[in-house]
Amino acid sequence: AQKVTQAQTEISVVEKEDVTLDCVYETRDTTYYLFWYKQPPSGELVFLIRRNSFDEQNEISGRYSWNFQKSTSSFNFTITASQVVDSAVYFCALSESTGGTSYGKLTFGQGTILTVHP
Amino acid sequence: DTGVSQNPRHKITKRGQNVTFRCDPISEHNRLYWYRQTLGQGPEFLTYFQNEAQLEKSRLLSDRFSAERPKGSFSTLEIQRTEQGDSAMYLCASSSYTGQGYNYEQYFGPGTRLTVT
Repeated sequence: AQKVTQAQTEISVVEKEDVTLDCVYETRDTTYYLFWYKQPPSGELVFLIRRNSFDEQNEISGRYSWNFQKSTSSFNFTITASQVVDSAVYFCALSESTGGTSYGKLTFGQGTILTVHP
Repeated sequence: DTGVSQNPRHKITKRGQNVTFRCDPISEHNRLYWYRQTLGQGPEFLTYFQNEAQLEKSRLLSDRFSAERPKGSFSTLEIQRTEQGDSAMYLCASSSYTGQGYNYEQYFGPGTRLTVT
């Protein structure tokens, strides 16, 4: 079973539209971390946010906001007033403490390709 | 502070040859990770080190793959007897682990793109 599911393979919007990228995860841990990364056409993964499982406060950073809901195991990402420069592949990832190693590897979703048209 | 660097950026090799990639992490980071990414997929974990100790290896990592981090600084990933299925982007990342069960975010390098012909 997929541990991190990003059901939206591709999303296309017009500049200035708001867009939400969905992420659903699966874990047995009570403490875990969730992440969002951006991979622009240049290819390098860029860290956007980390969220601890005990902190369910939503976070806003400029045009970006994140909605973490443990009850539905979701960690969704919204871009407000999208811009062409937001065009990229966005990955949601999970870090767990299973197997005796503390929060080592990231398990990534399949990614969502976001295209913002001018 | 420089980011994570990887060399080479591109490698083309013939099937059956051995290849080695190098990763230099962010200097104060004690954890170093290797991932593989194929087209249209998310990065897939291969292995990671804390200082010089290799703490976890993916079950998907065949015995043709080996990684080292001998002095707890840079790391090398070697693939022996390459196969066409090894063609992918190999990503390195590093992070700071405090030892209190708190692992900071991973910062990724630009990757090494391997093409096996």
